[in-house]
Amino acid sequence: QKEVEQNSGPLSVPEGAIASLNCTYSDRGSQSFFWYRQYSGKSPELIMSIYSNGDKEDGRFTAQLNKASQYVSLLIRDSQPSDSATYLCAVKGALTSYDKVIFGPGTSLSVIP
Amino acid sequence: KAGVTQTPRYLIKTRGQQVTLSCSPISGHRSVSWYQQTPGQGLQFLFEYFSETQRNKGNFPGRFSGRQFSNSRSEMNVSTLELGDSALYLCASSLYGSGTEAFFGQGTRLTVV
Repeated sequence: QKEVEQNSGPLSVPEGAIASLNCTYSDRGSQSFFWYRQYSGKSPELIMSIYSNGDKEDGRFTAQLNKASQYVSLLIRDSQPSDSATYLCAVKGALTSYDKVIFGPGTSLSVIP
Repeated sequence: KAGVTQTPRYLIKTRGQQVTLSCSPISGHRSVSWYQQTPGQGLQFLFEYFSETQRNKGNFPGRFSGRQFSNSRSEMNVSTLELGDSALYLCASSLYGSGTEAFFGQGTRLTVV
């Protein structure tokens, strides 16, 4: 079982719609969760971090964390063509306080004008 | 505030050679993590340095090594290059280390021929 899993996509949504990106992880004790956006040919850019169960909103982005079900999601409201990118979910393990951050394979999002 | 700076941006090396990549973190950040990104494997963790100490290491052969200096700048070295080492090498800097928000540099694109 892979440690962090994401649907590879591509996920296509029309402009103005809500894009929903999902991520599951295997380490039940994980405490830190991150979403990064990576445009083609560019480096990953941090969108949001979330540490507690529930929702965290930042502008058009909402991260949702459910530790009991071991999943974290990212909702993008009012999707724009500029949101077209690969979205990477990252999870910090919980074996030790110095555990490494594991990245999922990413989900490719395409927002259609 | 300056971001994470990686040098060089592009490198072409021959099999068997060695290479050194450099990463200057955001001012005040003491943690530098290195990742290898390839289309097939995604973002793979190499190692993390915090205050000149290696805190964690990924599953890479001993040909991959790194170090961190007292000013938090970090270098990564790959010896005896193989074709499979061709990748985008990214470093990420964070204030408190693994599990806190990390910011990536632009990466070094290494091509081994």
